[in-house]
Amino acid sequence: SQTIHQWPATLVQPVGSPLSLECTVEGTSNPNLYWYRQAAGRGLQLLFYSVGIGQISSEVPQNLSASRPQDRQFILSSKKLLLSDSGFYLCAWSGTSGGGRGTQYFGPGTRLTVL
Amino acid sequence: TQLLEQSPQFLSIQEGENLTVYCNSSSVFSSLQWYRQEPGEGPVLLVTVVTGGEVKKLKRLTFQFGDARKDSSLHITAAQPGDTGLYLCAGALGNYKLTFGKGTLLTVNP
Repeated sequence: SQTIHQWPATLVQPVGSPLSLECTVEGTSNPNLYWYRQAAGRGLQLLFYSVGIGQISSEVPQNLSASRPQDRQFILSSKKLLLSDSGFYLCAWSGTSGGGRGTQYFGPGTRLTVL
Repeated sequence: TQLLEQSPQFLSIQEGENLTVYCNSSSVFSSLQWYRQEPGEGPVLLVTVVTGGEVKKLKRLTFQFGDARKDSSLHITAAQPGDTGLYLCAGALGNYKLTFGKGTLLTVNP
């Protein structure tokens, strides 16, 4: 079965510091990978998605970047954090075959607080 | 512009009551997902509906996809405190990206 991991689970960082959040998927190959941010426990905002190694699409211009160095690894980064970067960050994966199309499976999330 | 309108945003009911959550759009979706999320955790998939008019049941939960694939509903029968959580609908526009509603925060009181 497929599993998705995120770490760290929680993070408190000062303004201006760098950020690296990691997401890995097990039990599947060549997944589509996604980074979302969720504010105040409500709807999800898509930040980045990737359909393959080194292929990143950005949905919202911002202080963040994403990279996919390996097939099942997705990293969210920032060189200098802003207060507005605080939030709950979720990684998700979906299969690339037609069955169950559109279905995404989420990781446990990372709670980021920027002080 | 919110592509997916979800209602109600908040719902507080007593154990044993029935409820319905709605998800509406002017866009046609290739599929629609419902998720349930608890505080501090990631959303957990409840169901994916693909065919217009499709009805799926998951124990006390009934999901329906509109005939035109623009809307969906989630009906819970005899709600229990364990049903408490944030319910999210998400529509796929055919390119594997999902657009999410803002969610319905359900509280079931014992």
